[in-house]
Amino acid sequence: TAGITQAPTSQILAAGRSMTLRCTQDMRHNAMYWYRQDLGLGLRLIHYSNTAGTTGKGEVPDGYSVSRANTDDFPLTLASAVPSQTSVYFCASSDGGGGDNEQFFGPGTRLTVL
Amino acid sequence: RKEVEQDPGPFNVPEGATVAFNCTYSNSASQSFFWYRQDCRKEPKLLMSVYSSGNEDGRFTAQLNRASQYISLLIRDSKLSDSATYLCVVTLNTGGFKTIFGAGTRLFVKA
Repeated sequence: TAGITQAPTSQILAAGRSMTLRCTQDMRHNAMYWYRQDLGLGLRLIHYSNTAGTTGKGEVPDGYSVSRANTDDFPLTLASAVPSQTSVYFCASSDGGGGDNEQFFGPGTRLTVL
Repeated sequence: RKEVEQDPGPFNVPEGATVAFNCTYSNSASQSFFWYRQDCRKEPKLLMSVYSSGNEDGRFTAQLNRASQYISLLIRDSKLSDSATYLCVVTLNTGGFKTIFGAGTRLFVKA
């Protein structure tokens, strides 16, 4: 079982360009999440989805958008990238959105915005 | 004040040592607690949940002190393979569940 996959593994992006980070899980988990991880700050939640068809804003949603058309996929889009969006992005999923469930993480996408 | 605070370390210990990490949280309504492990340039993975009664998994023991609002992780008989960053995670219900990750404590176990 693949679990949760992300693509691309890494990317260098020019400021002002758009990009979509892909995330797919095969565990049939209801809840999915996007985090960014920056040195000294820990993981910060960007957006989440408790079930297919619904999304919500996390702690740092500005400059990002998500969609959840089905259970398996949860893409993250940067409409117009800025250098402050340079980070490592992790997608995660859990069996429920109740906070008591283990979150399973993808391998991450390293994004550099120049 | 950060909602979840950890000593960033690094903790440098020899193999076989016992090492303890503490994590404090600011919101008394916090209701679920976890320790995750993250290896260098890898994704976080759940190490163990933390229960009010405390729990043990082999060489790892986790404790929760609600009165003082901190959780701890004790690693006994440290192995080289324990070298990693340990993330303290707290969830609370603020009308919707909110999961907060600490910045992590780095551990280096040396031969």
